[in-house]
Amino acid sequence: SQTIHQWPATLVQPVGSPLSLECTVEGTSNPNLYWYRQAAGRGLQLLFYSVGIGQISSEVPQNLSASRPQDRQFILSSKKLLLSDSGFYLCAWRRTVPSYNEQFFGPGTRLTVL
Amino acid sequence: DQQVKQNSPSLSVQEGRISILNCDYTNSMFDYFLWYKKYPAEGPTFLISISSIKDKNEDGRFTVFLNKSAKHLSLHIVPSQPGDSAVYFCAAYSGYSTLTFGKGTMLLVSP
Repeated sequence: SQTIHQWPATLVQPVGSPLSLECTVEGTSNPNLYWYRQAAGRGLQLLFYSVGIGQISSEVPQNLSASRPQDRQFILSSKKLLLSDSGFYLCAWRRTVPSYNEQFFGPGTRLTVL
Repeated sequence: DQQVKQNSPSLSVQEGRISILNCDYTNSMFDYFLWYKKYPAEGPTFLISISSIKDKNEDGRFTVFLNKSAKHLSLHIVPSQPGDSAVYFCAAYSGYSTLTFGKGTMLLVSP
């Protein structure tokens, strides 16, 4: 069976500090991978997605970046955090076949920037 | 521009009754729709989906209806249970890679 892991579960960081959130998927190969953010009182905003190693698509311009160094690893980074980066960050994956199918979400990381 | 709209931020229903969660969309290219359920501090979990070639899909207590001409879909939960209390997100695919989510509706089912 497939599982998706995210860490850390919670993080408190000062403004201007760097960020690295990691997501790994087990039990599948060549998944599509996604980073979302849920800000307080808002829906799920797609930040980045990847269809393969080294392939990153950015949906929203911001001070965050993403990388996919391995098939089942997806990393969200920032060089300098802003207060507005606070939120609940979710990683998700889906199979590439069939064409339409559900995305499976990880447990999330609660980021608070002070 | 919000392409998937859930206009009711919250809904309260009594246990045993029907819960109806609504979703409207503006992008006519959307052709596959999903509903997710989310508890606080957890990732969303997939509930049910529907292709644009259908108008109804049923899975146990959950039924999704799609009205393409009105660009409207709804999720029916019958009977509602207290454990159904959560935030429900409507989402849509256009193309195969990315989902567009609504802002969610918080459902509260009271005993």
